[in-house]
Amino acid sequence: GAVVSQHPSRVICKSGTSVKIECRSLDFQATTMFWYRQFPKQSLMLMATSNEGSKATYEQGVEKDKFLINHASLTLSTLTVTSAHPEDSSFYICSALILGRGNTDTQYFGPGTRLTVL
Amino acid sequence: AQTVTQSQPEMSVQEAETVTLSCTYDTSESDYYLFWYKQPPSRQMILVIRQEAYKQQNATENRFSVNFQKAAKSFSLKISDSQLGDAAMYFCAYLQGGKLIFGQGTELSVKP
Repeated sequence: GAVVSQHPSRVICKSGTSVKIECRSLDFQATTMFWYRQFPKQSLMLMATSNEGSKATYEQGVEKDKFLINHASLTLSTLTVTSAHPEDSSFYICSALILGRGNTDTQYFGPGTRLTVL
Repeated sequence: AQTVTQSQPEMSVQEAETVTLSCTYDTSESDYYLFWYKQPPSRQMILVIRQEAYKQQNATENRFSVNFQKAAKSFSLKISDSQLGDAAMYFCAYLQGGKLIFGQGTELSVKP
């Protein structure tokens, strides 16, 4: 099956620092990846769509200068939370899109990264 | 805009019994895909089952099956012979244009 990894699985940082989260598709190439944020007991909220070789597309209300996304290769997308503050503490999940035959597109998810900003 | 609604925040089922999780959605599109994802305590999102809207036949994956009613915009998940490992958050999701729109989730507990 399609495997997506994320690193780190959890990170604790001080307020004002930047944190980078990596998302990798291990056994397939993904031109499109997605970044989600999830608060406890809530659903996943799409933050942005990451396209290989082009700029990310951000959802309404998501600060692009705050959450920098880079998709430099077909297997790697990174999310950098810049000048992190306690309100940025959350669970961040990435997914990679596989385009299937007959339009059976499916997203496969990474295990998530728990970010805690002190 | 497309929306996905799961009206059951919590559900409970006895081990070996059957449970049905509800999901409704709103869309003006005719070609789309629907999914059920499972999120256990590890928080890893796991694909449970997928349904293409153009297919009338309900999708089935082992103990998991769906009841897809396109006209009613309903997409329920039936879990048969429930097992302790089925305990998790279940999210219904609508895919269109590559983006997934999730419902609020249903927390399923399985009683031994």
